[in-house]
Amino acid sequence: NAGVTQTPKFRVLKTGQSMTLLCAQDMNHEYMYWYRQDPGMGLRLIHYSVGEGTTAKGEVPDGYNVSRLKKQNFLLGLESAAPSQTSVYFCASKKDMVQETQYFGPGTRLLVL
Amino acid sequence: GQQLNQSPQSMFIQEGEDVSMNCTSSSIFNTWLWYKQDPGEGPVLLIALYKAGELTSNGRLTAQFGITRKDSFLNISASIPSDVGIYFCAGQLSGTASKLTFGTGTRLQVTL
Repeated sequence: NAGVTQTPKFRVLKTGQSMTLLCAQDMNHEYMYWYRQDPGMGLRLIHYSVGEGTTAKGEVPDGYNVSRLKKQNFLLGLESAAPSQTSVYFCASKKDMVQETQYFGPGTRLLVL
Repeated sequence: GQQLNQSPQSMFIQEGEDVSMNCTSSSIFNTWLWYKQDPGEGPVLLIALYKAGELTSNGRLTAQFGITRKDSFLNISASIPSDVGIYFCAGQLSGTASKLTFGTGTRLQVTL
C-alpha cells in the first residue's frame, strides 16, 4: 500500500495562474481532507469529503474548489492563484466516522509569485 | 477560525531530559489527538484521547485529556534525538465529519 500520495511535490505559480493538486489514497477510505499549513499557524482545514461525490467547506475555503469524483481521489483546485495561497498543502484520509486516525500525505509546497 | 493554543512554541532540551507541552482551547472537544510532524513529512498520529480525565501512554509518551475538556498535555520521557520535530495537538467534536482543529505546534529540538 502506498497510503496517501500527493502530486506534485512542489510547484511555483505566477499570480492568476490555475492549477490542480491531486491526492490519492489506496486504503479504501471514505473521508478525505485538504489542509494548508502556514508558519506558526498549524494546519487549517480547506475542504473535506465524507464520501465519493460529496464535498464540504472547511475553515478556509475561499479561493479553492474541490472534487471527489472517485473514492480514491480528492482534487484541490486553485482557479486564480494569489500570493496568499503560498503554503504547504496536506491531504489526509480516514477510514470512516468511527476510526479516528487521519493518515496524511507528504505535502505539496506551493509558491505563488 | 479557531486555533488551539499550544505552549511552549519551541523547546531546546538535552538528550535524556523529560519534555512537557500543553494545549488549551476556549471550546470543549470530545476527542483530543496528538500528532508529530517530521521535517518534510505529513503529521503522524501519536496518541488519541476520548474521555475527560483519560491518561494514555504510548511508549515514552503520555498524554492526558483535561477534566474540563478544554485542555490536554503531552509528556515525553527520556528524550532521544529522533524525538525532534513539531508536535501538534488537535481537538475534534462529535458529529462534525471528524473535522480537526489543530494547535499552533511545539517545535522540539534535542541536543546530544
